[in-house]
Amino acid sequence: DVKVTQSSRYLVKRTGEKVFLECVQDMDHENMFWYRQDPGLGLRLIYFSYDVKMKEKGDIPEGYSVSREKKERFSLILESASTNQTSMYLCASSLQFLRGEAFFGQGTRLTVV
Amino acid sequence: AQTVTQSQPEMSVQEAETVTLSCTYDTSENNYYLFWYKQPPSRQMILVIRQEAYKQQNATENRFSVNFQKAAKSFSLKISDSQLGDTAMYFCAFLASGNTGKLIFGQGTTLQVKP
Repeated sequence: DVKVTQSSRYLVKRTGEKVFLECVQDMDHENMFWYRQDPGLGLRLIYFSYDVKMKEKGDIPEGYSVSREKKERFSLILESASTNQTSMYLCASSLQFLRGEAFFGQGTRLTVV
Repeated sequence: AQTVTQSQPEMSVQEAETVTLSCTYDTSENNYYLFWYKQPPSRQMILVIRQEAYKQQNATENRFSVNFQKAAKSFSLKISDSQLGDTAMYFCAFLASGNTGKLIFGQGTTLQVKP
């Protein structure tokens, strides 16, 4: 079974803190994604990566950055957390070839106070 | 840019009945893939069904089937013989074939199956 593991299920951070959300997949997938999920807005793509050290902005990259130093790990960084970044964050991975399905982590519910 | 729209925020259905969830999308691409994902309460998102745009035949997976209308850019999900375990949020998603794998989701539809 494919496993996508997010480092934390729940996280509470203070405004202005630098926040790291970690995601690890164990199936050698080329693609990895970070989404945020908000009621009524669905999943919005923040960043995705199609290879090590390669990244592309999604629809809402402002206030976020990412790092992919190894194929299995994709980190989302909130440089200076703000209350409007309180949300559920979902990581996913997929095979590039044959446009395979995306596999998701369990999500991190981040609260910025 | 591609967009995916789910116009039904919430739906409900009686157990054993059939329900259809709607999805429309906008793209200038000719080749692409469409998906329905299910997110049960407090559980991980999983794939329900997948459709390749170049295939005219509608995809089916047991009780789940799609009605893919390429010209109308419509991709609805039909759930037959609804079960309590089908209660979840359902997301429609689009993947263009020409790029490196950027997956775009709709707003989601919350489905409640009632006993």
